[in-house]
Amino acid sequence: GENVEQHPSTLSVQEGDSAVIKCTYSDSASNYFPWYKQELGKRPQLIIDIRSNVGEKKDQRIAVTLNKTAKHFSLHITETQPEDSAVYFCAASRGTGTASKLTFGTGTRLQVTL
Amino acid sequence: NAGVMQNPRHLVRRRGQEARLRCSPMKGHSHVYWYRQLPEEGLKFMVYLQKENIIDESGMPKERFSAEFPKEGPSILRIQQVVRGDSAAYFCASSLTRGNEKLFFGSGTQLSVL
Repeated sequence: GENVEQHPSTLSVQEGDSAVIKCTYSDSASNYFPWYKQELGKRPQLIIDIRSNVGEKKDQRIAVTLNKTAKHFSLHITETQPEDSAVYFCAASRGTGTASKLTFGTGTRLQVTL
Repeated sequence: NAGVMQNPRHLVRRRGQEARLRCSPMKGHSHVYWYRQLPEEGLKFMVYLQKENIIDESGMPKERFSAEFPKEGPSILRIQQVVRGDSAAYFCASSLTRGNEKLFFGSGTQLSVL
């Protein structure tokens, strides 16, 4: 089955700096890669996703890049703000049939300091 | 448009009792996924259901755990004879169609086994 690895497990940046979180996946048939943000005690919320037919997607301060050859994808947050502090999870799925479930990485705890 | 609704938010059970967790998907969504999250860990897939069908239960323990999604009513995750190791947050997510679709998560049920 799919295996998703995520690094780093914790990340501390100063407000205004950029943060980068990286994930690798094992199943070359995976074609859907979402990122979720989870604040303490809250539900995971989808913040951005990318499909395998594009290499990059951007939404304001958040961007995701995908390298299908190397089987890795990254989340980039620019101009970080204190409210960006949360745990971020990457995930991957094949998106078809019984393999459509998301396999999650182990999470990155992002701390944005003033 | 209500989101994914889970109840109860918190559930306390003694060892050997049964736990029933409920999930009502978003309106119009017919695909439900259950995930388990241990403290400081990622989301582990348990089971994927469509109305009246279990599509993929590869992540669910063979004993004591069962899930259903009847034609009418919420999806139910049932844990019989709970043990302390079952203590975790259980999240339900729903999607509109199978595969390549965004998952929307509920607020979770925190199960504590005494």
